[in-house]
Amino acid sequence: RKEVEQDPGPFNVPEGATVAFNCTYSNSASQSFFWYRQDCRKEPKLLMSVYSSGNEDGRFTAQLNRASQYISLLIRDSKLSDSATYLCVVTAGSHDMRFGAGTRLTVKP
Amino acid sequence: DVKVTQSSRYLVKRTGEKVFLECVQDMDHENMFWYRQDPGLGLRLIYFSYDVKMKEKGDIPEGYSVSREKKERFSLILESASTNQTSMYLCASSFRGSNSPLHFGNGTRLTVT
Repeated sequence: RKEVEQDPGPFNVPEGATVAFNCTYSNSASQSFFWYRQDCRKEPKLLMSVYSSGNEDGRFTAQLNRASQYISLLIRDSKLSDSATYLCVVTAGSHDMRFGAGTRLTVKP
Repeated sequence: DVKVTQSSRYLVKRTGEKVFLECVQDMDHENMFWYRQDPGLGLRLIYFSYDVKMKEKGDIPEGYSVSREKKERFSLILESASTNQTSMYLCASSFRGSNSPLHFGNGTRLTVT
């Protein structure tokens, strides 16, 4: 079993749709969680950190469920510019960061 | 704004050549990392460094070495390039502490022929 698992997709949604991705992790000692966005042939860029109480940044909401060991990312009112691959990152220490393989999202007009 | 700069965007090398990939960060980060990213395999950690002259092996260190002589610079060395090292190489840096996210350079796409 992989340490961090994501549904690879692709998720194809129309503009304006709400879409959600999950990411499960196996290490119960994991401490910090992040979502990154990666455009085609570009580097990953930090989208948001994930806090225990859940957090929101505009149209994006991230949640953490420690009991079931998953994090989620919800995107509301999808835009064409949201098309990208979304990577989850789980850390058990500053040197122990584990990446999911990414979920590909395509938002269509 | 954090800036992580990789010396080359695209690189083509021949099998057996020694290859140097350079990475510089300007945010005084303690930690620096080298990853490679391949389709279907995601990001895999090659080496990381948590201080000057310190280095630790990641998940796939074979065929690679690293050097960190200054805090801001972390070099990845392919001693004798092979075709299976054709990949996207990503450098990243962060502050010490598990709450500190990674900041990536814009990547070096290496092709070994």
